Amino acid sequence: GQSLEQPSEVTAVEGAIVQINCTYQTSGFYGLSWYQQHDGGAPTFLSYNALDGLEETGRFSSFLSRSDSYGYLLLQELQMKDSASYFCAVRDDYGQNFVFGPGTRLSVLP
Amino acid sequence: NAGVTQTPKFRVLKTGQSMTLLCAQDMNHEYMYWYRQDPGMGLRLIHYSVGEGTTAKGEVPDGYNVSRLKKQNFLLGLESAAPSQTSVYFCASSYSVSGSTPYEQYFGPGTRLTVT
Repeated sequence: GQSLEQPSEVTAVEGAIVQINCTYQTSGFYGLSWYQQHDGGAPTFLSYNALDGLEETGRFSSFLSRSDSYGYLLLQELQMKDSASYFCAVRDDYGQNFVFGPGTRLSVLP
Repeated sequence: NAGVTQTPKFRVLKTGQSMTLLCAQDMNHEYMYWYRQDPGMGLRLIHYSVGEGTTAKGEVPDGYNVSRLKKQNFLLGLESAAPSQTSVYFCASSYSVSGSTPYEQYFGPGTRLTVT
């Protein structure tokens, strides 16, 4: 089976940088994905790491270390609109299903 | 393109009633999924489908049934609703590239279901 752990809440101020960590336990591994979900909205895809290292997409970056079963999402130049919940997700042993972490609620303060 | 759409957006049921949630996607995706999300929690997979005519159980399938008669549609049925099924239900779809496993999911707007 799979399990993922994330901090439940993170708070930061506008313009700052914040890192949201995700540790996982899986018997097979097909990559780590990140999703953003605003209150009342649907999750939207942010990034994906299949290999070790950093992937950058604008203000967002995602990092993966397969040897440590660890990844993080880095948000730079925080804006108020970044206040949302962020979920990491892995695929199951067969690569068909997705298992989501419990989510981290990010609050950006003025 | 509309992407992934869900019908209805809201519904209130009484215990024991039945209903069907409809998910439709116009992206020609092979994979489709039904999740439920409870307050303050992540998404839990109910059922999924890897292609037309195929379905499989996810993490929390009890009390739900699904069908995928057409590639673009994935139906979730509740045969006898219970208060424990009060939740927000999300449908999602994904695709594979050159036979690789999918990694990006596209979500519908959700259906808020309350069972009293």
